[in-house]
Amino acid sequence: GAVVSQHPSWVICKSGTSVKIECRSLDFQATTMFWYRQFPKQSLMLMATSNEGSKATYEQGVEKDKFLINHASLTLSTLTVTSAHPEDSSFYICSARAHSGSSYNEQFFGPGTRLTVL
Amino acid sequence: AQSVTQLGSHVSVSEGALVLLRCNYSSSVPPYLFWYVQYPNQGLQLLLKYTSAATLVKGINGFEAEFKKSETSFHLTKPSAHMSDAAEYFCAVSDFDGNKLVFGAGTILRVKS
Repeated sequence: GAVVSQHPSWVICKSGTSVKIECRSLDFQATTMFWYRQFPKQSLMLMATSNEGSKATYEQGVEKDKFLINHASLTLSTLTVTSAHPEDSSFYICSARAHSGSSYNEQFFGPGTRLTVL
Repeated sequence: AQSVTQLGSHVSVSEGALVLLRCNYSSSVPPYLFWYVQYPNQGLQLLLKYTSAATLVKGINGFEAEFKKSETSFHLTKPSAHMSDAAEYFCAVSDFDGNKLVFGAGTILRVKS
């Protein structure tokens, strides 16, 4: 089956530093990836849609200069949290949409990255 | 705008009993509806989806869901719970297949032996 990985699985950083999270589709190509954020005991909230070779589309209220997204290839999207603050501590989840094959249009999710900002 | 409400953040059933997880949606366009399951330390896995074909949708692991437009519901059921069904379940809605998802808050299913 289609597999999506995220790296790192967890990260602790100091306030003011930047953190990069990678999302990779391991055995399929994805022209579109989505980045979600999940606070404790709350639902996943879409942050942005990442399209290979073009600028990401951010949801209302998400600061594009703070959450930098780069989708440089058909198998990799990165989310960089710039100048992180404690309120950015959360669980970040990506999904990759298969653009061909029997799972066409299905989203496959990564296991998530736990970010803690001290 | 679209939204999803999952009734019950925690549901507990005995092994062998019926599983019923409730999901109600709101959508200004014909919805595409999904159920995902998440096991600890794993990514969300698609159980089943409704894409305007049959209203009764069968998924993996013996789960099924019925789309009821009049009730704006898409409840998930399984006739007989198994210990391995213990996980968190998310209902989600989209405006078309493959587009961004709007999730409910999730329901944690506990299965008692």
